[in-house]
Amino acid sequence: EPEVTQTPSHQVTQMGQEVILRCVPISNHLYFYWYRQILGQKVEFLVSFYNNEISEKSEIFDDQFSVERPDGSNFTLKIRSTKLEDSAMYFCASSYSGGSTDTQYFGPGTRLTVL
Amino acid sequence: GQSLEQPSEVTAVEGAIVQINCTYQTSGFYGLSWYQQHDGGAPTFLSYNGLDGLEETGRFSSFLSRSDSYGYLLLQELQMKDSASYFCAVPSGTYKYIFGTGTRLKVLA
Repeated sequence: EPEVTQTPSHQVTQMGQEVILRCVPISNHLYFYWYRQILGQKVEFLVSFYNNEISEKSEIFDDQFSVERPDGSNFTLKIRSTKLEDSAMYFCASSYSGGSTDTQYFGPGTRLTVL
Repeated sequence: GQSLEQPSEVTAVEGAIVQINCTYQTSGFYGLSWYQQHDGGAPTFLSYNGLDGLEETGRFSSFLSRSDSYGYLLLQELQMKDSASYFCAVPSGTYKYIFGTGTRLKVLA
């Protein structure tokens, strides 16, 4: 069964550094998403991406964040100048059509620890 | 603002039936989804309700009442492996999704 993959599984960085989280969505999916989950809290939407541009973004997704689809398979989240409060699990997800009835498939997540 | 409220924790015994509620307040409504998340794992899709009524998928059923802004997930014949967190979620806008506060289900032997 096809699945979303994410690398690395765990990333440790120093405050102020830049990190890039990588995702490979399911190959025939067209809509891509990033979510964040602080330990013990709910899943929070960050951004959706379609046709090489951002479709929607939350208030969390400020100028510190950016997304990119550098090639036909990868989807990346860049966090510039990381802060302690960026420590969280980051999930990538993909879906085929993006509609409300379409299932989103989540990757296993990257645990980001900012020291 | 938009919000989805769920009980923080529910406990039940193996073999029992448990209901996890979700009340929502959204500016538009396009349906209610449910996701399961085991500790340290990713959310996995369980069910979707676009219309009022009950949707059944094996041991899991989900109900929606749009007039009451309310839905629930019903888990039958509980098994130990059902111990997880359960989130309701709604599309908000075209490609934006809001997740509920999450309910931690503990299944006791």
